[in-house]
Amino acid sequence: GESVGLHLPTLSVQEGDNSIINCAYSNSASDYFIWYKQESGKGPQFIIDIRSNMDKRQGQRVTVLLNKTVKHLSLQIAATQPGDSAVYFCAENRRPGGSYIPTFGRGTSLIVHP
Amino acid sequence: GAGVSQSPRYKVAKRGQDVALRCDPISGHVSLFWYQQALGQGPEFLTYFQNEAQLDKSGLPSDRFFAERPEGSVSTLKIQRTQQEDSAVYLCASSLEGSNQPQHFGDGTRLSIL
Repeated sequence: GESVGLHLPTLSVQEGDNSIINCAYSNSASDYFIWYKQESGKGPQFIIDIRSNMDKRQGQRVTVLLNKTVKHLSLQIAATQPGDSAVYFCAENRRPGGSYIPTFGRGTSLIVHP
Repeated sequence: GAGVSQSPRYKVAKRGQDVALRCDPISGHVSLFWYQQALGQGPEFLTYFQNEAQLDKSGLPSDRFFAERPEGSVSTLKIQRTQQEDSAVYLCASSLEGSNQPQHFGDGTRLSIL
């Protein structure tokens, strides 16, 4: 299944499927992007990051793709498991002044059915 | 090792009261951030410290909000004369060095203003 991020905040998949969560960012000057996972009642948990000099980065079961031309970021989760059910946020680091300020998207809720 | 610790986990206050929220970052982490998270939204940046220096407070919504980190470790977010719109989860995060790195979040303080 595929989500268009802010316009489709819920993604439902079957256990074992691959999931793709999309995110559009707004600032072409942003050079650092992070995906976080947030479970109910918990703080966001770092999943994977990517800097603007790369277009792909892989972790364990997760891949982040960055398309700077269209300012688009995606998170791919392979063989999705029930424990992956959570809200996923992309964050871009902007630098309006001297410091990098993380700006979070609204998030996508991933529901994994056993 | 211990993660970011926030206290209290829940705080209920009457409108007009002052509240203080505490954050214990990961030991040795130089950078500390405060965020406000409304229900169904992503975290919104409030302020950022590097050691004891408050480098950015552009996200604080009003002069009723005040944050400090006097010894470069524990931080306190204080809200004076609370209002109902202050009800939210307040998240603290720390990173090893600088704001352009993954952040480690606490589980937040859920503040309810009656």
